[in-house]
Amino acid sequence: QKEVEQNSGPLSVPEGAIASLNCTYSDRGSQSFFWYRQYSGKSPELIMFIYSNGDKEDGRFTAQLNKASQYVSLLIRDSQPSDSATYLCAVNQERDDKIIFGKGTRLHILP
Amino acid sequence: SAVISQKPSRDICQRGTSLTIQCQVDSQVTMMFWYRQQPGQSLTLIATANQGSEATYESGFVIDKFPISRPNLTFSTLTVSNMSPEDSSIYLCSVDRTGTEAFFGQGTRLTVV
Repeated sequence: QKEVEQNSGPLSVPEGAIASLNCTYSDRGSQSFFWYRQYSGKSPELIMFIYSNGDKEDGRFTAQLNKASQYVSLLIRDSQPSDSATYLCAVNQERDDKIIFGKGTRLHILP
Repeated sequence: SAVISQKPSRDICQRGTSLTIQCQVDSQVTMMFWYRQQPGQSLTLIATANQGSEATYESGFVIDKFPISRPNLTFSTLTVSNMSPEDSSIYLCSVDRTGTEAFFGQGTRLTVV
């Protein structure tokens, strides 16, 4: 099993709708989880991080964490064309404290 | 967040040559990380650069191919040696300022011809 798994997409969402991005991870001891946004040709940009089970909201973004299911998600409300990017899920591994990235999900917001 | 300056931003290099990528941070950091992102792929950690000691390389990466320097707490270099077209990637410098989060430089887009 890959350490951090994401659906590569592309995920197409109409403008104004909710985009839902999902990620699973294999290291049960992981404590920190991150979502990065990467525009084409640019470096990743941290947009959300979450440490505790449940939801964390920041503007239009909500991160959801379920440690029992080893599942983390990112919801983007009122999707905008500028949200079109690749979203990388990243997990801080307990055993070596390294941050491991998923392959990313390409999100396309349809105007 | 940290301000990370990486250069060059892009380069086209001949097969068999070497390229050194520089990473400068606006404040002192304990660890600096070098990642590679091949086309259509996610970020893969190459090595962790610690000041005052040898870099720690991940499986599949060796010092002869990717020598790293870390002369002080704000600067590191990664050299891609004896390049082949398979080394064409984006190389990213990263620092961990808060203990758990990774902040990235703007990356170096390398094309080997």
